[in-house]
Amino acid sequence: AQKITQTQPGMFVQEKEAVTLDCTYDTSDPSYGLFWYKQPSSGEMIFLIYQGSYDQQNATEGRYSLNFQKARKSANLVISASQLGDSAMYFCAMREQGGSEKLVFGKGTKLTVNP
Amino acid sequence: EADIYQTPRYLVIGTGKKITLECSQTMGHDKMYWYQQDPGMELHLIHYSYGVNSTEKGDLSSESTVSRIRTEHFPLTLESARPSHTSQYLCASSAKYGTEGGDTQYFGPGTRLTVL
Repeated sequence: AQKITQTQPGMFVQEKEAVTLDCTYDTSDPSYGLFWYKQPSSGEMIFLIYQGSYDQQNATEGRYSLNFQKARKSANLVISASQLGDSAMYFCAMREQGGSEKLVFGKGTKLTVNP
Repeated sequence: EADIYQTPRYLVIGTGKKITLECSQTMGHDKMYWYQQDPGMELHLIHYSYGVNSTEKGDLSSESTVSRIRTEHFPLTLESARPSHTSQYLCASSAKYGTEGGDTQYFGPGTRLTVL
């Protein structure tokens, strides 16, 4: 069964607007971590933001914030004030503490920022 | 900022050749990982290591092998490359869980391998 689901293969947003990228996850482990990575066309994976399952507040890092809804098992990434350089693939990933602490990735969302 | 390096960045090679993809990190991280990613697709873990002399196979079956003789170095070897091995290979590392930022995996720039 797929543990990380990203239902949006592609998203478009106008420059300077906010965009939400969806991510839902499935786990029975009470302790887990959720990550978002950005992958530009050059191929490297850039860490953006992390949310622990016991964190009380939603994580924020600059223009990135994570809308963490534990009961719904969702961890959506919000990018505020989109920039042209935000155009990339975005991957949601989960690390389960009870396992071997490996990361499981979703299929990704391709974000295109239009001028 | 993470200091993890991969060489070569791009490699085009003929079928049957032996290749080694290099991965090094200067952060002293105990854990290192190799992922395989086809274009536009998700990453799949093929190997990981929790420290020197520790290697494990990942979720995706792979004909490659790895070694971890030094903390900073985690090379991946294909004894006989085939066209089905054409893919991007990404190396990552992370600190021990419980240390600051220990959960986070930092990635190298990747190696794009093409086997003709």
